[in-house]
Amino acid sequence: GAVVSQHPSRVICKSGTSVKIECRSLDFQATTMFWYRQFPKKSLMLMATSNEGSKATYEQGVEKDKFLINHASLTLSTLTVTSAHPEDSSFYICSAREPGQDNQPQHFGDGTRLSIL
Amino acid sequence: GDSVTQMEGPVTLSEEAFLTINCTYTATGYPSLFWYVQYPGEGLQLLLKATKADDKGSNKGFEATYRKETTSFHLEKGSVQVSDSAVYFCALTSGSARQLTFGSGTQLTVLP
Repeated sequence: GAVVSQHPSRVICKSGTSVKIECRSLDFQATTMFWYRQFPKKSLMLMATSNEGSKATYEQGVEKDKFLINHASLTLSTLTVTSAHPEDSSFYICSAREPGQDNQPQHFGDGTRLSIL
Repeated sequence: GDSVTQMEGPVTLSEEAFLTINCTYTATGYPSLFWYVQYPGEGLQLLLKATKADDKGSNKGFEATYRKETTSFHLEKGSVQVSDSAVYFCALTSGSARQLTFGSGTQLTVLP
């Protein structure tokens, strides 16, 4: 079945560092990928929809200058948390859906645990 | 807007007990409904889905029926196992954007 790979699985870094998270669709082309943030014991919050070859669509309240999304190819989207601070610590999860499968489930990566010291 | 209301946890059961996790939704149009499961430290995995009214999704002994009249998609399993311990999310997609809207998640712990 369709597989989404997310890397790295865990990042620990100092405040002020920029962190890049990669999301790859391994056996299908994904024109659309999604980035979620999950707080402890909370549900997933959609941050943005990443569109291949165009600008991402951010949800209300998400700072696009803080969370940079690049979807340069049909199999790769990246989320860069710029100048990360402790309040950015969270679990970030990406997902992708196969083209033409709008009613079908998204495939999720295994998530990235980001810890800012 | 669309929303999903899910039974709050945590839920703690003994092995072989019957499980029900309630889920109701509000959506325009005709949503597709999903249950996802998240094991500790991992991403989400699709557990089951239903795309139209009266459909029953099933997988690994779990079942959920798409009830349009009650706008519900309750998750059930007849006999839970310790390995079922995880967080369960009810979700839907609807509208032109087809984005996922998640419920708050229900933590299930099954004790031996």
